[in-house]
Amino acid sequence: DGGITQSPKYLFRKEGQNVTLSCEQNLNHDAMYWYRQDPGQGLRLIYYSQIVNDFQKGDIAEGYSVSREKKESFPLTVTSAQKNPTAFYLCASSIDFNSNQPQHFGDGTRLSIL
Amino acid sequence: DQQVKQNSPSLSVQEGRISILNCDYTNSMFDYFLWYKKYPAEGPTFLISISSIKDKNEDGRFTVFLNKSAKHLSLHIVPSQPGDSAVYFCAAIRYGSSNTGKLIFGQGTTLQVKP
Repeated sequence: DGGITQSPKYLFRKEGQNVTLSCEQNLNHDAMYWYRQDPGQGLRLIYYSQIVNDFQKGDIAEGYSVSREKKESFPLTVTSAQKNPTAFYLCASSIDFNSNQPQHFGDGTRLSIL
Repeated sequence: DQQVKQNSPSLSVQEGRISILNCDYTNSMFDYFLWYKKYPAEGPTFLISISSIKDKNEDGRFTVFLNKSAKHLSLHIVPSQPGDSAVYFCAAIRYGSSNTGKLIFGQGTTLQVKP
C-alpha cells in the first residue's frame, strides 16, 4: 500500500540533544512538508520541499533543519536550539507543490523532553 | 495573525442528526479550501475540498459550503455517525505566489457524535 511512514511514533530527547525524525513516502510525490501541532492549535508549517535537493523554511523553522537527498525521504532534525520541542510532528506529501491535490499525512511522531 | 479560524473548539451531536462545523478566514485571496479529519495519535486524512469559484461541494454524507462575501465555510455531515467523532481541521491555500502549496490550518473542532 502506498503511504507515508513516520518513525519513531514516540521519541524522547534529553536537554541539549539533537534528534532526527524520519519520514518516508512511496507515493512518488514531489512535494513534502513538516508540520508541528500543539494542543488547541492548528498545524504550523516548519519546512517544505518542492522537489528533491530543494527545501524552504516555513512559518516556524527556527531550531529545525531538514534535508531532501532522495525523493522519498524528508528527515527533520530538531536541534538543541529549539527551546520548546515538545509537540506532535506530522509529515505530509503531495503530488506537487503547485496543484490543488490534497496533502497526505503520516501518523506523526510525538516528541517529549526528558 | 490567525488567517483561518475555527471558533468552536468542540461540538456534540446525536447520532443521525446533522453536524455543522464552521470556519472563518480573513484572506480574500485564498483559492482553495480543504477539510481534514483527524483521530487521536494519527495523521489528518483528507475529507473534502472546494474551489473559491464554487459555493458548494458534496461527497456522500459530507457537504462543504463556501460564502465568499462572509469569508465563511462550513462542513455539514448528514447523518452523523459515531465513527465521525474526531477533530476536524479546515485549511486554506493561495496559489500564484510564494505561498503556493502552503496550507493554512484552523485550530480544529472536536466533534463528538453520541449513539
